[in-house]
Amino acid sequence: GESVGLHLPTLSVQEGDNSIINCAYSNSASDYFIWYKQESGKGPQFIIDIRSNMDKRQGQRVTVLLNKTVKHLSLQIAATQPGDSAVYFCAETNYNQGGKLIFGQGTELSVKP
Amino acid sequence: EAGVVQSPRYKIIEKKQPVAFWCNPISGHNTLYWYLQNLGQGPELLIRYENEEAVDDSQLPKDRFSAERLKGVDSTLKIQPAELGDSAVYLCASSRYSGLSTDTQYFGPGTRLTVL
Repeated sequence: GESVGLHLPTLSVQEGDNSIINCAYSNSASDYFIWYKQESGKGPQFIIDIRSNMDKRQGQRVTVLLNKTVKHLSLQIAATQPGDSAVYFCAETNYNQGGKLIFGQGTELSVKP
Repeated sequence: EAGVVQSPRYKIIEKKQPVAFWCNPISGHNTLYWYLQNLGQGPELLIRYENEEAVDDSQLPKDRFSAERLKGVDSTLKIQPAELGDSAVYLCASSRYSGLSTDTQYFGPGTRLTVL
């Protein structure tokens, strides 16, 4: 039958502003989390990861925050640029999964110049 | 370092026809993954190989899907016969180590399949 795509949550920001993308994960046993960026026509690209023994990790212009109490993950992008426009996915796994990633619903980030 | 290579990039077939996708992982990467990505959704794992062994194929619809990684390097994913609902992007990913959940997975560009 015909497949219907889900409408992705969309975040629209002005160039130069900070962006915050949120993700609720499902498995309380998950202990490793990753953010991926996916541009149109490309595969997901690793951005940053965090282990469950941390609550914050910083990269270049990006910060990931983890709140295990409410099973929430966020990605903060500082000084958002047009090149940041993409769909962002969070993914979770744990040491028993041997690399099997469970992806959340993506968020489409649109940066206005 | 070359990334994960997939071919073809696009494929249009009629239902009930067979189709095959090819993946060449990053050199030296032991683990290879095939994912299915439907429009507007995150990728879902179909099968994971450690070297030439399929260690997790629990999500692979085995009545019509098959995969192989004969020499522990390249891999092919086949659908026979294809159904309309198989229209999606098929992504291949690889990681360096075997069975390590924290090892970064690198994705190829995917093959976009359209079944008419």
